[in-house]
Amino acid sequence: SQQGEEDPQALSIQEGENATMNCSYKTSINNLQWYRQNSGRGLVHLILIRSNEREKHSGRLRVTLDTSKKSSSLLITASRAADTASYFCATRPTGGGNKLTFGTGTQLKVEL
Amino acid sequence: NAGVMQNPRHLVRRRGQEARLRCSPMKGHSHVYWYRQLPEEGLKFMVYLQKENIIDESGMPKERFSAEFPKEGPSILRIQQVVRGDSAAYFCASSPDDWPGNIFGSGTRLTVV
Repeated sequence: SQQGEEDPQALSIQEGENATMNCSYKTSINNLQWYRQNSGRGLVHLILIRSNEREKHSGRLRVTLDTSKKSSSLLITASRAADTASYFCATRPTGGGNKLTFGTGTQLKVEL
Repeated sequence: NAGVMQNPRHLVRRRGQEARLRCSPMKGHSHVYWYRQLPEEGLKFMVYLQKENIIDESGMPKERFSAEFPKEGPSILRIQQVVRGDSAAYFCASSPDDWPGNIFGSGTRLTVV
């Protein structure tokens, strides 16, 4: 299995509900980032959390990081139909330069 | 600031031809990365470049693939003698010196027929 695996693979919720996605990774990291990808488009950077941080907020997004369990979660509160997209976690390994290692993604569908 | 610009958006090549993908990083960004995405999969790192230098090419296939980021002009990802398995979306990203995130372009979708 690869560095950065998201869980679940797919998630379908109603508008207004919260969506939680999880990511696990294998190696030591400098930081972990979450990206969104709309179908057929490029990735959009959502939020970055450094290895010495445990929680971070940005608007309706909340990210947690547990380095002892090598896991992170992304919570989207009060979801909207426009949040429908694939969400990827990406890790920047310690000493690994600037490249990112991406997980396989969670496909989120928010229905009206 | 126009963001990361990739062209072409779509590229169709016959088996055995060459594919050249271009990427202009965001203004002020000196770090360029190329990633490949197969259908229904995440992005896989290919190569990391700074001006005139390849910093990390650990994700590049050993043959047929090359990348450059010249002093002037865009970064180029070149695939020689393309095969059907090269069909994928190729994304370029850039970052500045003082921020570890990546800003992505819209990608080039390569189809080998």
